[in-house]
Amino acid sequence: GAGVSQSPSNKVTEKGKDVELRCDPISGHTALYWYRQSLGQGLEFLIYFQGNSAPDKSGLPSDRFSAERTGGSVSTLTIQRTQQEDSAVYLCASSLSSGSSPLHFGNGTRLTVT
Amino acid sequence: TQLLEQSPQFLSIQEGENLTVYCNSSSVFSSLQWYRQEPGEGPVLLVTVVTGGEVKKLKRLTFQFGDARKDSSLHITAAQPGDTGLYLCAGGRSGGSNYKLTFGKGTLLTVNP
Repeated sequence: GAGVSQSPSNKVTEKGKDVELRCDPISGHTALYWYRQSLGQGLEFLIYFQGNSAPDKSGLPSDRFSAERTGGSVSTLTIQRTQQEDSAVYLCASSLSSGSSPLHFGNGTRLTVT
Repeated sequence: TQLLEQSPQFLSIQEGENLTVYCNSSSVFSSLQWYRQEPGEGPVLLVTVVTGGEVKKLKRLTFQFGDARKDSSLHITAAQPGDTGLYLCAGGRSGGSNYKLTFGKGTLLTVNP
């Protein structure tokens, strides 16, 4: 079956512009995660959605970052007024539930802010 | 903040050699996961260990969770070029935030033919 799909795979944008990154999780997976992977750094937790519960936004680095998940499926991560330090690979993952359920990652969106 | 330190950061070996990579923390985790990530792709889960002292084997890969659940190791026997990739460990906590994994920075393994 289809895995987690992310688009675009690469995005180059100018500093100050807004970007939207999309994640299509595995069908039936109720939990959805966004992580950021910077060069030489581990995966940094950004945000977590579980069903209809309020998302855990505690990992979002600033108020320029926001995310939503419509209809319990597709999620969009939006970065407003991008900065060069936002350059990274943004990874989305989904799982059947939370806790010990294994994460299934997409291939990520590589964001470059010039 | 619970940190996971992985060592070595880089490892380059010849095909057929054995290797061990480590994942250490001063904090206790309820579970420990190992992932492998290849260039341009997302991490893929290899194994989850949950019991102190637990050993799991996956073909030529042996994973161990420390008795105190603060550290873990991954041993690869007779490494193959296909083992090349970034190996990441991730610790999970119990309780209400059990979904929030803490990742190490990874060990970048290159196996040369």
